[in-house]
Amino acid sequence: EAAVTQSPRSKVAVTGGKVTLSCHQTNNHDYMYWYRQDTGHGLRLIHYSYVADSTEKGDIPDGYKASRPSQENFSLILELASLSQTAVYFCASSDSGQDTQYFGPGTRLLVL
Amino acid sequence: GEKVEQHESTLSVREGDSAVINCTYTDTASSYFPWYKQEAGKSLHFVIDIRSNVDRKQSQRLIVLLDKKAKRFSLHITATQPEDSAIYFCAASTASSSFSKLVFGQGTSLSVVP
Repeated sequence: EAAVTQSPRSKVAVTGGKVTLSCHQTNNHDYMYWYRQDTGHGLRLIHYSYVADSTEKGDIPDGYKASRPSQENFSLILELASLSQTAVYFCASSDSGQDTQYFGPGTRLLVL
Repeated sequence: GEKVEQHESTLSVREGDSAVINCTYTDTASSYFPWYKQEAGKSLHFVIDIRSNVDRKQSQRLIVLLDKKAKRFSLHITATQPEDSAIYFCAASTASSSFSKLVFGQGTSLSVVP
């Protein structure tokens, strides 16, 4: 089965601080995604990538940057964390030509 | 852009009964409709999907129906068991040969009570 891991699993950050969330997959998948989950909103796509060294904006990219240094790794960066970015963040991967996405365990971020 | 509405935010059924979760979408170009399950405190995992070239798909106790005219699709869980209790998310995408950008519904929390 596909393996997607995330670190950290939970984090408390201060408003205005920098936060980096990391994702690693061992599936040899081309596509990787970052979503945030808020109560009542389901999952919303922040950024995605289909090849190393390239990222694309999703539906809610404002306040977030992404980095894909290799096929296996995909990071989400909050340069200036804000209270509104408190959420659970999920990373996912999928294979080119395959629609099923495989999700990581999630990172619970609390911004104070 | 695509919007997916999941009509039931919570649903409670008795063990052994059927559960039905309904979703609607807005983009007529959407052609791929997966369902994901999130158990308490865990991540999401894929359970079943349907593509626009069929209107019904079954996998064991799960049935997905698609009504393209109404832009509506639904998940039917038959003979529910306690382990079916979870949050279920529907999603839609205009799947291409290489990429599936999913738009998710808000989630339905299903409780199966003994």
